[in-house]
Amino acid sequence: SAVISQKPSRDICQRGTSLTIQCQVDSQVTMMFWYRQQPGQSLTLIATANQGSEATYESGFVIDKFPISRPNLTFSTLTVSNMSPEDSSIYLCSAVPGRKNTGELFFGEGSRLTVL
Amino acid sequence: KNQVEQSPQSLIILEGKNCTLQCNYTVSPFSNLRWYKQDTGRGPVSLTIMTFSENTKSNGRYTATLDADTKQSSLHITASQLSDSASYICVVSRNDYKLSFGAGTTVTVRA
Repeated sequence: SAVISQKPSRDICQRGTSLTIQCQVDSQVTMMFWYRQQPGQSLTLIATANQGSEATYESGFVIDKFPISRPNLTFSTLTVSNMSPEDSSIYLCSAVPGRKNTGELFFGEGSRLTVL
Repeated sequence: KNQVEQSPQSLIILEGKNCTLQCNYTVSPFSNLRWYKQDTGRGPVSLTIMTFSENTKSNGRYTATLDADTKQSSLHITASQLSDSASYICVVSRNDYKLSFGAGTTVTVRA
């Protein structure tokens, strides 16, 4: 299993500012992902955080808006840039533990952002 | 298009009663199907994960079934408790590890 810690757990931000969310896993993981969950909706994959290289973004998400870092096998950050009220969402970090793709996916508690 | 459809969208049950949630999918090629429980304001927590060859899997009072031929799954909650109030999400994985998420079923258990 894996314990995933995210911070901040919630924040209220002003339009036009940027916020960085941190994700820490208690063990080395093969894959880390960032998801967005808009109010009342299910999860949407933003990108796969690749260790030591640029993240792989899904359709509709771009690096300039959601820059991601993953400097090692246990840590990643997601920045939400130039925020607007439409960015108000829960942002979730997830990971597949171990050195092989076991298929089990664990989630952090999420970071709830409100943009005014 | 790889889709996951869940029903009902929401339901209310009395404490102690049973309920069944449905998940239909068109994801292909299929790798596995997971059910997650998401409490309000929390991250999803895995309940069960089933591969193509598994028909049923239990986790306490939660029992998931899978019919890979008809591409249907169900999650049965037995003797519901107030703590079962949550959103239940069906997630289907392809062989390339791409995940498709259902919109979830919101369950409210009332005393």
